[in-house]
Amino acid sequence: DSGVTQTPKHLITATGQRVTLRCSPRSGDLSVYWYQQSLDQGLQFLIQYYNGEERAKGNILERFSAQQFPDLHSELNLSSLELGDSALYFCASSVRDTNYGYTFGSGTRLTVV
Amino acid sequence: AQSVAQPEDQVNVAEGNPLTVKCTYSVSGNPYLFWYVQYPNRGLQFLLKYITGDNLVKGSYGFEAEFNKSQTSFHLKKPSALVSDSALYFCAVRDPYSGGYQKVTFGTGTKLQVIP
Repeated sequence: DSGVTQTPKHLITATGQRVTLRCSPRSGDLSVYWYQQSLDQGLQFLIQYYNGEERAKGNILERFSAQQFPDLHSELNLSSLELGDSALYFCASSVRDTNYGYTFGSGTRLTVV
Repeated sequence: AQSVAQPEDQVNVAEGNPLTVKCTYSVSGNPYLFWYVQYPNRGLQFLLKYITGDNLVKGSYGFEAEFNKSQTSFHLKKPSALVSDSALYFCAVRDPYSGGYQKVTFGTGTKLQVIP
């Protein structure tokens, strides 16, 4: 157990639907990062939050949004889902910045049918 | 902009032989470099990092990596491969002089296959 908890582990949903992925960071970590891993595009950075505030944005679609709550857990919302959104979504956390590496959760596997 | 390249999609090595997984990077300043390993259906696990100091960095599970500034490389090595080392390996880089809370950029990954 890495200390980063992601739920659900698996999610199957239909095109056009909306889903929410949840991440609880490792105790003491203030930064949360979301990554999308697909076979054809590798590991893509989506977005980073630090202590409730958005800090960096990557290749995140407008249909996707995220937030970090006062208790530091984070949610990634994916809407108007398309088949191409099927992927593994990882959350990672770190204390402040990335000097000491990230701690990754085990991911949520999203399948859009 | 920072970037990292892993030129090999897959590396095959016989058990007991030394292994090398290659990584090159591009940043504007001195890099922070990382290696992660991903086993099937699992998240990425941190292996080792280079921030400053000795160019040879030792990490988990007997892995080490050599930082070479002139060649902008950070190759992952292990003297004797185990079948259990078979996994997907990611190199990552961060430019600490970008300011703010700069994200880490990951390579595309190299699949290591250790043959018994």
